[in-house]
Amino acid sequence: AQSVTQLDSQVPVFEEAPVELRCNYSSSVSVYLFWYVQYPNQGLQLLLKYLSGSTLVKGINGFEAEFNKSQTSFHLRKPSVHISDTAEYFCAVSDSAPDSYDKVIFGPGTSLSVIP
Amino acid sequence: NAGVMQNPRHLVRRRGQEARLRCSPMKGHSHVYWYRQLPEEGLKFMVYLQKENIIDESGMPKERFSAEFPKEGPSILRIQQVVRGDSAAYFCASSRQWGGETQYFGPGTRLLVL
Repeated sequence: AQSVTQLDSQVPVFEEAPVELRCNYSSSVSVYLFWYVQYPNQGLQLLLKYLSGSTLVKGINGFEAEFNKSQTSFHLRKPSVHISDTAEYFCAVSDSAPDSYDKVIFGPGTSLSVIP
Repeated sequence: NAGVMQNPRHLVRRRGQEARLRCSPMKGHSHVYWYRQLPEEGLKFMVYLQKENIIDESGMPKERFSAEFPKEGPSILRIQQVVRGDSAAYFCASSRQWGGETQYFGPGTRLLVL
């Protein structure tokens, strides 16, 4: 069974500083990986996803993530955060095996707080 | 192109009543997923449906919960005889296909059981 671990439940960071949100997964098959952002009282919005190919994935709002198969990680990074990046961030995984559907497993989330 | 729509956005029910949550997927999307988010927790998969078919309901509680996605109209998540523990945000997502296709989320329905 797949699972997702987000080691940091809360990450405070000063405005314009870099940030890394950690995500590790476990799976017995090939996977697709996702990062979603959730602003207060809203639904989830896709930041970026890894399906195949280049292990460095660039997303919206200046975020990027790197897939590391050996370490089973998919950490999210941004070189300089803004106040507007304050939100909940969810890492997610789904099975990429042929004839498999998208049962997406979400991590518990990391709350990013950007301090002015 | 409207996004995924959910209604109502907020729903208050007393214990024992029924809750009906509706989800209209994005135009052209025939795959619908329901998730539940409890306070201070991540999203938990509940059920995956295609038109007129339940594909995976492994995340659905065995009793009181049901879901459908009819040929016409929105997908419905139905909770009978609600209890306080059902209070949560329920999110619907839709996709065009499976296999890495992005799931687009609705704004959620926040259910409060008194």
